[in-house]
Amino acid sequence: DTEVTQTPKHLVMGMTNKKSLKCEQHMGHRAMYWYKQKAKKPPELMFVYSYEKLSINESVPSRFSPECPNSSLLNLHLHALQPEDSALYLCASSQDGAGGTQYFGPGTRLLVL
Amino acid sequence: GDSVTQMEGPVTLSEEAFLTINCTYTATGYPSLFWYVQYPGEGLQLLLKATKADDKGSNKGFEATYRKETTSFHLEKGSVQVSDSAVYFCAQSLNAGNMLTFGGGTRLMVKP
Repeated sequence: DTEVTQTPKHLVMGMTNKKSLKCEQHMGHRAMYWYKQKAKKPPELMFVYSYEKLSINESVPSRFSPECPNSSLLNLHLHALQPEDSALYLCASSQDGAGGTQYFGPGTRLLVL
Repeated sequence: GDSVTQMEGPVTLSEEAFLTINCTYTATGYPSLFWYVQYPGEGLQLLLKATKADDKGSNKGFEATYRKETTSFHLEKGSVQVSDSAVYFCAQSLNAGNMLTFGGGTRLMVKP
């Protein structure tokens, strides 16, 4: 089983809203990732958690706040987003710490109005 | 720096045609190499991978061989189907501490 799940599938929010994206995996993987993907572009890495600790933050604005409550869950808290933050947000996981083969979820398509 | 270069798309083929999508990499070491596929409106799916020189990854009729001498990992399929229409991403990962570096993606359109 190589399934990573993400909720919600779609999200529309205003610039003053607070919302959260959720990612879950039950493969025993110890690294989890958030990516942002704009149309017709490859995914861009945002954050990496390795053994439940934030190991990489790719200079992401503070209006994006990641959280890893346990080894199976990864959240991305959103606050005061801008329209240019509209994108597909992808979660991924890998087995042994950061790096190696990553397995992706289906993504959350976010629209900021 | 480390990078992955893919042929630009879109690639348009008729059903049952032979497919090649070129991918070359630049790396200081010996990366693991991957092909991911993204169907419309979906996330990325791992299609195949190879971890050392001369390894061949294969899945669902797709193949790619890790060629160290040409620093390439070209994706091939002998007979494409309409259902193969998607965006294909080549990627590399240098070692357990490094992240994925993606190519720009190649859109494949297969016509009946």
